[in-house]
Amino acid sequence: GNSVTQMEGPVTLSEEAFLTINCTYTATGYPSLFWYVQYPGEGLQLLLKATKADDKGSNKGFEATYRKETTSFHLEKGSVQVSDSAVYFCALDRGSTLGRLYFGRGTQLTVWP
Amino acid sequence: DGGITQSPKYLFRKEGQNVTLSCEQNLNHDAMYWYRQDPGQGLRLIYYSQIVNDFQKGDIAEGYSVSREKKESFPLTVTSAQKNPTAFYLCASSERGNTDTQYFGPGTRLTVL
Repeated sequence: GNSVTQMEGPVTLSEEAFLTINCTYTATGYPSLFWYVQYPGEGLQLLLKATKADDKGSNKGFEATYRKETTSFHLEKGSVQVSDSAVYFCALDRGSTLGRLYFGRGTQLTVWP
Repeated sequence: DGGITQSPKYLFRKEGQNVTLSCEQNLNHDAMYWYRQDPGQGLRLIYYSQIVNDFQKGDIAEGYSVSREKKESFPLTVTSAQKNPTAFYLCASSERGNTDTQYFGPGTRLTVL
């Protein structure tokens, strides 16, 4: 089946620290991969995406590379800020006509000044 | 301003009552989705619709119903048959429903008293 596994949180970091949130997936076909971010009390916003193997998605200093050989899409940022505190969701779209997303459980990130 | 609106932001319901959550989009998107979010469980798909007058059950459709009479609207009814309805409900839409980015509304927090 199709599923996404994220590292469990919460993750707590000091400002300017390096961030990695691990995400691995199981999917049939050739999925697209996404990272969404949710700030407290709000809906989800797309952070970045990659649609094929070896693609790198990037936005706001965050990056993730689609690794088909390790079925991974880890999220990284070189220097986090307090404003990055949020819940991060990894998701996949298996590329069929159904267009539905499969989400991981989310990882809570808290950044302290 | 284009986007997705959900109303109300907070909703309280007595046990045994049906309640309808509103979702409207002015993005001219074909596909719309309803997700349920519970703490530590990520997002689970309730229903989705790829075109007007058509919709499909997601993973947890029991106790919910939807309609898609207009392209811009996809209301969700939480019926009294839903055993544990207290949750955060998110509506989303995408242009073609196939590997396209999903855009999320701000969510409705439903509490059953």
